[in-house]
Amino acid sequence: AQTVTQSQPEMSVQEAETVTLSCTYDTSESDYYLFWYKQPPSRQMILVIRQEAYKQQNATENRFSVNFQKAAKSFSLKISDSQLGDAAMYFCAYRSGPGNQFYFGTGTSLTVIP
Amino acid sequence: GAGVSQSPSNKVTEKGKDVELRCDPISGHTALYWYRQSLGQGLEFLIYFQGNSAPDKSGLPSDRFSAERTGGSVSTLTIQRTQQEDSAVYLCASSLMPILGNEQFFGPGTRLTVL
Repeated sequence: AQTVTQSQPEMSVQEAETVTLSCTYDTSESDYYLFWYKQPPSRQMILVIRQEAYKQQNATENRFSVNFQKAAKSFSLKISDSQLGDAAMYFCAYRSGPGNQFYFGTGTSLTVIP
Repeated sequence: GAGVSQSPSNKVTEKGKDVELRCDPISGHTALYWYRQSLGQGLEFLIYFQGNSAPDKSGLPSDRFSAERTGGSVSTLTIQRTQQEDSAVYLCASSLMPILGNEQFFGPGTRLTVL
């Protein structure tokens, strides 16, 4: 069974600093995708970044980057130059297989301190 | 250019009543997904539609839950004889095609409260 674990229920970061959110997953599949979604208080889930398992290069989207360690089944999100608008719940998600459903972690609540 | 919409945004009902939750996906998106998000939990997969058919219903928690999709567009999630443990936010998402790397676009959710 696929499981996604986010071991940090809450994190905080000073504005303009860098924070890393952790995610580990369990799978026996060889091809899959990993995602980070952001959910602000509005409840609207927004895709932050995605990574295909076959790609060795870590994905980057502006201030957001990932550290993908396939052998360790780890997929952490780094947010650089944190901004107040980054405050939200962050969910790590895994996806593979014909059903194409997402498996989500329990989320990390990020607070940005001005 | 509208995103995924869901209605109602909030629903309060009494235990034992039936409720219907609606999802309007992005036009042209063939895949549609329903998730449930309980307080302090991640998203729990409920059901997936490709067009009007549901290849994967494995996440529906009981036979009180059902969903349909008509015209390859609007979907309705129905919960019969609601129980207090059904209280949660119900999220709908759609994607252009059910391809592995395709992004799912989420609606704002319906917060269901069962008294």
